[in-house]
Amino acid sequence: RKEVEQDPGPFNVPEGATVAFNCTYSNSASQSFFWYRQDCRKEPKLLMSVYSSGNEDGRFTAQLNRASQYISLLIRDSKLSDSATYLCVVNTNTGGFKTIFGAGTRLFVKA
Amino acid sequence: EPEVTQTPSHQVTQMGQEVILRCVPISNHLYFYWYRQILGQKVEFLVSFYNNEISEKSEIFDDQFSVERPDGSNFTLKIRSTKLEDSAMYFCASSEWGREPQHFGDGTRLSIL
Repeated sequence: RKEVEQDPGPFNVPEGATVAFNCTYSNSASQSFFWYRQDCRKEPKLLMSVYSSGNEDGRFTAQLNRASQYISLLIRDSKLSDSATYLCVVNTNTGGFKTIFGAGTRLFVKA
Repeated sequence: EPEVTQTPSHQVTQMGQEVILRCVPISNHLYFYWYRQILGQKVEFLVSFYNNEISEKSEIFDDQFSVERPDGSNFTLKIRSTKLEDSAMYFCASSEWGREPQHFGDGTRLSIL
């Protein structure tokens, strides 16, 4: 089983659509969770941290389910500028901190 | 807004040569990281660094790799004898604490000929 697994994508959606990204992780001892976005040939940029209580930032909502080892990201009212690769990131303290990225899910938002 | 800076933006090196990639993390951050991303593939963790020593490393980070914080600001990744398969984008990142979000530099593209 992969350490961090995401929907393979790509997702092609029209502007204004709601799109959901899913991610699972294998290490139950993982401690912190994030969604990043990456534009083509650019560095990953933090979108939001993910908490068990769920958190929202404008059009973006993230959720963590520790029991199922599952992380989600919901984008509402998608914009053309949301087109990017969305990366699920899991941080585990195994004595030292190790960070594992999912392979990413590519999103294309069309006019 | 403070940022992580990396130099050079592009490095071209002959196979077998040594290369040093440089990073200046955000000044109040305590944890530093190196990642690589081969073109078209996922971001891969190489190493984390805290309190002047390696905190964790991946299986990719073998004896040809080393990291150093030579002064109070720079954080370097050295690849001793480069191979063709070392060609990739290398990202440096830093965070205030190990559990906190990491901030990434804009990367060094390493091309091995």
